[in-house]
Amino acid sequence: NAGVTQTPKFRILKIGQSMTLQCTQDMNHNYMYWYRQDPGMGLKLIYYSVGAGITDKGEVPNGYNVSRSTTEDFPLRLELAAPSQTSVYFCASRRGTAAGNSPLHFGNGTRLTVT
Amino acid sequence: ELKVEQNPLFLSMQEGKNYTIYCNYSTTSDRLYWYRQDPGKSLESLFVLLSNGAVKQEGRLMASLDTKARLSTLHITAAVHDLSATYFCAVPPETSGSRLTFGEGTQLTVNP
Repeated sequence: NAGVTQTPKFRILKIGQSMTLQCTQDMNHNYMYWYRQDPGMGLKLIYYSVGAGITDKGEVPNGYNVSRSTTEDFPLRLELAAPSQTSVYFCASRRGTAAGNSPLHFGNGTRLTVT
Repeated sequence: ELKVEQNPLFLSMQEGKNYTIYCNYSTTSDRLYWYRQDPGKSLESLFVLLSNGAVKQEGRLMASLDTKARLSTLHITAAVHDLSATYFCAVPPETSGSRLTFGEGTQLTVNP
């Protein structure tokens, strides 16, 4: 199994440009998440999804959008890139119910720089 | 607002020594997770603690959970260089929560 796959690995954007960070998992997990990690910091939750067609905001959703049309895919969209969105973005997934106890499985991250 | 606080944030220790990392949280959750992150890499799951009094051990690492004190510890025994990494604890905002809030991480450096 590939697990959680993120593309691209690196990207440089100009201010105001848009892009989509791709995330796909092949573990048939219900739950998927997008986190961002700023240098030397912990992870902040951007958006999450508990199943296809259902998404919800996390701690820092402004400037981002998501969709979940399939169980496997959970893309993250940046519409108007700003320097404050320079970060490393991690996609994660896990199986289980709302009270599920399984840990998150993380992708390898996308390092985004906005200049 | 849920707070997850780790201390210390930076830890430099010698090989062979013991030390403990602390994770305090403000939620009523009875679950807590520990992750490890190597520099420039992704996060990997270390421990899943599911109830008060839970203790898990793997190699030189042992994690415990005290839900009454809202405290988890990650104890390192006889540290070796390979344990150098950043360690994160994470908790859901409530007992049945599907999200996880992460602490800031403890950057551990084990010196020869």
